[in-house]
Amino acid sequence: EVQLVESGGDLVQPGGSLRLSCAASGFVFDRYGMDWVRQAPGKGLEWISFISSNSYTTYYADSVEGRFIISRDNAKNSLYLQMNSLRDGDTAVYYCARDPGQIAVARLDNWGQGTLVTVSS
Amino acid sequence: DIQMTQSPASLSASVGDRVTITCRASQGISGYLAWYQQQPGKVPKLLMYAASILQSGVSSRFSGSGSGTDFTLTISSLQPEDVATYYCQKYDSSPFTFGGGTKVEIK
Repeated sequence: EVQLVESGGDLVQPGGSLRLSCAASGFVFDRYGMDWVRQAPGKGLEWISFISSNSYTTYYADSVEGRFIISRDNAKNSLYLQMNSLRDGDTAVYYCARDPGQIAVARLDNWGQGTLVTVSS
Repeated sequence: DIQMTQSPASLSASVGDRVTITCRASQGISGYLAWYQQQPGKVPKLLMYAASILQSGVSSRFSGSGSGTDFTLTISSLQPEDVATYYCQKYDSSPFTFGGGTKVEIK
């Protein structure tokens, strides 16, 4: 069974940093791309980042480009999102998702339960 | 960037009704479109990809069509468990934008 478990969500002040993790199990992690998607309270889904299976290719939404960094450790079956210069508008539940696309997004076929990031002073 | 617009934003229909949701891209995206269902309080779930391919395990009540700029998701016979918000997502190129969502309720 595919399992994705996010962690690292917290309350952080504007301008602060946070690192999210996503632990993957139940599939061959290094054969899949991975995505981060967020959902602000009461709002829709926002795709924010993709990383290819071999980490060579990354993509970001304009809203996080230059502030967030996606990475992965295939030896640890883990995905990360380093979030810097956080803003109030970054408050959301952050989901990691598995992507059969090895070099670009193809579809998000399994999702974690999400971790809540709250940016507030 | 290509914008994804869903319509309607919400709808209310009776059990057994045929329901159609539309997703429009501001530029052509060929068939690079996926649909997701998010039931209240739950995690999003992939329904369809490549515009019309049903994800394994998803009810055959769901079908998708379209190519280029106009896409539809159809529920052939609405059931209570279909109450959810439905999202389309483009994946032809970055950014891999979601539509704004369509909330489906039972009348």
